[in-house]
Amino acid sequence: AQSVTQLGSHVSVSEGALVLLRCNYSSSVPPYLFWYVQYPNQGLQLLLKYTSAATLVKGINGFEAEFKKSETSFHLTKPSAHMSDAAEYFCAVIISGGYNKLIFGAGTRLAVHP
Amino acid sequence: DTGVSQNPRHKITKRGQNVTFRCDPISEHNRLYWYRQTLGQGPEFLTYFQNEAQLEKSRLLSDRFSAERPKGSFSTLEIQRTEQGDSAMYLCASSPKGQGAADYGYTFGSGTRLTVV
Repeated sequence: AQSVTQLGSHVSVSEGALVLLRCNYSSSVPPYLFWYVQYPNQGLQLLLKYTSAATLVKGINGFEAEFKKSETSFHLTKPSAHMSDAAEYFCAVIISGGYNKLIFGAGTRLAVHP
Repeated sequence: DTGVSQNPRHKITKRGQNVTFRCDPISEHNRLYWYRQTLGQGPEFLTYFQNEAQLEKSRLLSDRFSAERPKGSFSTLEIQRTEQGDSAMYLCASSPKGQGAADYGYTFGSGTRLTVV
C-alpha cells in the first residue's frame, strides 16, 4: 500500500536559514507525490507536485523538492526561510487504482524565529 | 471561478444535533472528495464522488455520516446525532477527471470547522 511518512512533527529554523522538511514514501509503483501547506484555520494549498517529468520540482514561494527513488524520499527545501513560511506542511501521495485518492502524512509544523 | 467554496466556515453544535456542510467545487471538476482533519493530524479521506456517483467511502464514515452530490455539482456532508469525537475540520477538494487528477493534484476549500459541545 502507498503511504508517506514525515520525519519530525515540529521543525524550527531562524529567519534566513535553510528549511528542510523530510518525507519518505512507500510505493510499489512510481508514485505521484505532493507537498501542501496549511496556514492556521485555512484549507490546504498546493506547493508543488512530482509526476515523473523531472526529479527536481520547483514550487511556489521559493520551495522545491527532489524525488530520490533510491532513498524513497521527497524532501522539501527552501534556501532561506521567511517569517511568512511558518505553517503546517503536508506530504501526500496519490493512491494508484484508488480513484486518485490523496493520502497524507501527519504533517510537519514549521516555526520561523527572528 | 473562485475555487472550492465551503460553508459554513465554523459550526458549533450541541451533542446529539444534526449538522450539514456544503461544498461547491470548481465548476469544471467532476471529482469531489471529503476529508476530515483533527488537531495535529493530516487530513483523512472520507468519501469520493465522480459526478453524482459516490464511488468510495472510508471506514471512518460511520452510518451517522452521509454525503450527497445531486446533479454532480455541489455536495453536502451530513452528520447525524453528533458526538464530541466528530469535532474536526472537514475539508472538501475537487480535481479534474481522468489522469488530470494525478497530474493536477487537488484544489481544497478552506474547510468547515465543527465543534461539538
